[in-house]
Amino acid sequence: QKEVEQNSGPLSVPEGAIASLNCTYSDRGSQSFFWYRQYSGKSPELIMFIYSNGDKEDGRFTAQLNKASQYVSLLIRDSQPSDSATYLCAVMGTGFQKLVFGTGTRLLVSP
Amino acid sequence: KAGVTQTPRYLIKTRGQQVTLSCSPISGHRSVSWYQQTPGQGLQFLFEYFSETQRNKGNFPGRFSGRQFSNSRSEMNVSTLELGDSALYLCASSLEGGIGELFFGEGSRLTVL
Repeated sequence: QKEVEQNSGPLSVPEGAIASLNCTYSDRGSQSFFWYRQYSGKSPELIMFIYSNGDKEDGRFTAQLNKASQYVSLLIRDSQPSDSATYLCAVMGTGFQKLVFGTGTRLLVSP
Repeated sequence: KAGVTQTPRYLIKTRGQQVTLSCSPISGHRSVSWYQQTPGQGLQFLFEYFSETQRNKGNFPGRFSGRQFSNSRSEMNVSTLELGDSALYLCASSLEGGIGELFFGEGSRLTVL
């Protein structure tokens, strides 16, 4: 079992729709969870982080965490073609700054 | 404020050679982490340095090594290169480390022939 699992996609949504990206993790002791966006040929950039159960909203993005189910999700409202990218879920592993990444979900937003 | 700077951006080596990659973190950031990104495996943690000390290491062979200097700049070295070492090597910095808000450089793309 991989430590952090994501559906590779691609997830295709029309412009203006809600994109829902999901991630599960295996380490029940994990405390910190992150979503990174990576455009093709570019490096990952941090979108959001969440530490507590529940929802955290930032503009069009909402991160959701359910530690009991070991599940993290990212909702993107009013999806835009510029949101087309690979979204990486990352979980803080044991020790310093060891982020364990999923392999990413490719999102395609069509005009 | 300048971002994380990695050099070189692209390089081609042959099997058996060694390579050194450099990373300059964001000013004021003291933690530097290195990751290897390949299409099949995704992003995998190599190691993390803070105040010139390696605090954490991933599951890579001893051919992969690194160091951090007093100005927080970091280098990683791969010796006896293998074809499978072809990858994008990403450096990331953070203020103190331990909270995961990493800022990535553009990466060094290594091709081993």
